[in-house]
Amino acid sequence: EDQVTQSPEALRLQEGESSSLNCSYTVSGLRGLFWYRQDPGKGPEFLFTLYSAGEEKEKERLKATLTKKESFLHITAPKPEDSATYLCASTSGTYKYIFGTGTRLKVLA
Amino acid sequence: DGGITQSPKYLFRKEGQNVTLSCEQNLNHDAMYWYRQDPGQGLRLIYYSQIVNDFQKGDIAEGYSVSREKKESFPLTVTSAQKNPTAFYLCASTSVGGSPLHFGNGTRLTVT
Repeated sequence: EDQVTQSPEALRLQEGESSSLNCSYTVSGLRGLFWYRQDPGKGPEFLFTLYSAGEEKEKERLKATLTKKESFLHITAPKPEDSATYLCASTSGTYKYIFGTGTRLKVLA
Repeated sequence: DGGITQSPKYLFRKEGQNVTLSCEQNLNHDAMYWYRQDPGQGLRLIYYSQIVNDFQKGDIAEGYSVSREKKESFPLTVTSAQKNPTAFYLCASTSVGGSPLHFGNGTRLTVT
């Protein structure tokens, strides 16, 4: 059964303290791995798509990487405005997407 | 600006009443989705539609119904048969399977 597992469930960082969020996946024939940011009471906002192992994408303080079994979202020198829940999702290229339960990130000033 | 509009943002209903959540998109996407989000759980798929006049059940379709009469619109009805309807409902769309989903800002439904 296809599955996506995110860790940790919650993470508290001091402003400027870099860290990584993990997304482990078991998907038959991965066609896309997606990262989203979700603020309280809002819908997920698309961040990145990764298609193949070794691929990396960057946006401001965020960098997403992909291996054959997991993806990481690296946050460099985070700021309080980076506080949100980060979701990971996978697809095998059909119309079905599998979501993880998310990592709640809190960045303290 | 293109996007997905869900309305209303908050909805309150009495137990036993059906309620319809609206989802409209102007992204010209063929595929549309409804997810349910509960605390501590991942997004769970209720229904999806790849094309007008066609839709498929997701993992938790019981107690819900949908229609897809127009490409832009995919309303979700939460019926009285849904045993635990209080939740945050998210609508999404994509151009083709395998592309990223784009989400609306959700409707929070409270049934008492």
